Amino acid sequence: QVHLVQSGAEVKKPGASVTVSCKASGYTFTGYYMHWVRQAPGQGLEWMGRINLKSAVTVYAPKFQGRVTMTGNTSITTAYMNLSGLKSDDTAIYFCALEYFYQFYFDFWGQGSLITVSS
Amino acid sequence: EIVLTQSPATLSLSPGERATLSCRASQSVRTNLAWYQQRPGQPPRLLICDASTRATGIPDRFSGSGSGTDFTLTISSLESEDFALYFCLQRSDWPSWTFGQGTKVEIK
Repeated sequence: QVHLVQSGAEVKKPGASVTVSCKASGYTFTGYYMHWVRQAPGQGLEWMGRINLKSAVTVYAPKFQGRVTMTGNTSITTAYMNLSGLKSDDTAIYFCALEYFYQFYFDFWGQGSLITVSS
Repeated sequence: EIVLTQSPATLSLSPGERATLSCRASQSVRTNLAWYQQRPGQPPRLLICDASTRATGIPDRFSGSGSGTDFTLTISSLESEDFALYFCLQRSDWPSWTFGQGTKVEIK
């Protein structure tokens, strides 16, 4: 059974960087794409980018290009999302989401990681 | 960038009633559209992909229709667990995915 477990909540200062991890289990890690999606408090969902966990090829949303880096560690079946230059409006819940059964759609999600940016 | 506009923002209905949610795209996405449900404190759950295909384990009271720019999610008879947020997602604008702003289905 596919299971995605994310790292815990963090508080960061403006200008800092944050790395969120997503530990995957229950499937062949390198066979799929992992996406990252965020949700500001009380707001909608925003797609940030995708990584091919086998080739490490990434695609980022234009809004985050230059600030986001997505990686994967196949030995510990964990995906990572690093966001730099944090601003207060980066305060959000960050989700990892897997394309698994359905190509191009996200059908398994992590529980979410709350990142708060505050001075 | 393709913009998805969902309506209404809030839908107030009673259990047992039919819910009809709309998602309109700023340009054609063919049938490259999904619907998600999000309950408070939980991640989204995939309901419908490719505009009308129910995901595994989704009850048949949920159905999706549409193509091009106009899409509909219908819940035939609302149950208590269906009162939640619903988002549409397009994956046609490669390599970019975008969500609608959401529709809240609340108990009347």
